[in-house]
Amino acid sequence: NAGVTQTPKFQVLKTGQSMTLQCAQDMNHNSMYWYRQDPGMGLRLIYYSASEGTTDKGEVPNGYNVSRLNKREFSLRLESAAPSQTSVYFCASSGMGGRSGNTIYFGEGSWLTVV
Amino acid sequence: GNSVTQMEGPVTLSEEAFLTINCTYTATGYPSLFWYVQYPGEGLQLLLKATKADDKGSNKGFEATYRKETTSFHLEKGSVQVSDSAVYFCALSDQGSQGNLIFGKGTKLSVKP
Repeated sequence: NAGVTQTPKFQVLKTGQSMTLQCAQDMNHNSMYWYRQDPGMGLRLIYYSASEGTTDKGEVPNGYNVSRLNKREFSLRLESAAPSQTSVYFCASSGMGGRSGNTIYFGEGSWLTVV
Repeated sequence: GNSVTQMEGPVTLSEEAFLTINCTYTATGYPSLFWYVQYPGEGLQLLLKATKADDKGSNKGFEATYRKETTSFHLEKGSVQVSDSAVYFCALSDQGSQGNLIFGKGTKLSVKP
């Protein structure tokens, strides 16, 4: 029972480099999310996708792009990494979103350092 | 806008002590409320949830009651164990953005034997 799988788990980038974080879920969920977690800030939403083919900005979208490739996969791209993007990134998914009490399930996180 | 405020940590307790982590929220409408737990080096796991006023969520000895009159969802456990050491996040569902969760900043709990 894999749930939400994200890769890579650890990555070090140089300023200006690009990279893509991959995420896949096997729970047939409609909604998928990317969050970042910073010390003392809790989790903040970067982008979300309510269904295949749709994406929307969250609280902190600047410097990121996303692609909902199909129902299973939702990738996050950093086009030109900056030190301020050093963070732990979490992908998550939900059947109908939290509005009806449905649980949001999280991946194990990707630790990204930009030097 | 919607927001969640939870008590600052870290919280350090001895094994078998009583735990309370306070959480209050600001929201329009009737959000669902959640507690998530994050063990070191891991992702977030749902601990418990409540979807309407006066509901009590419970799991693994933890409890929280959805109090609309005080806009609170405090987490309690009667007797903590070393294995409960983790970061605890209170969250509410943001009905305006497809159910995205609004998180508090987290409370780190350390339980000493």
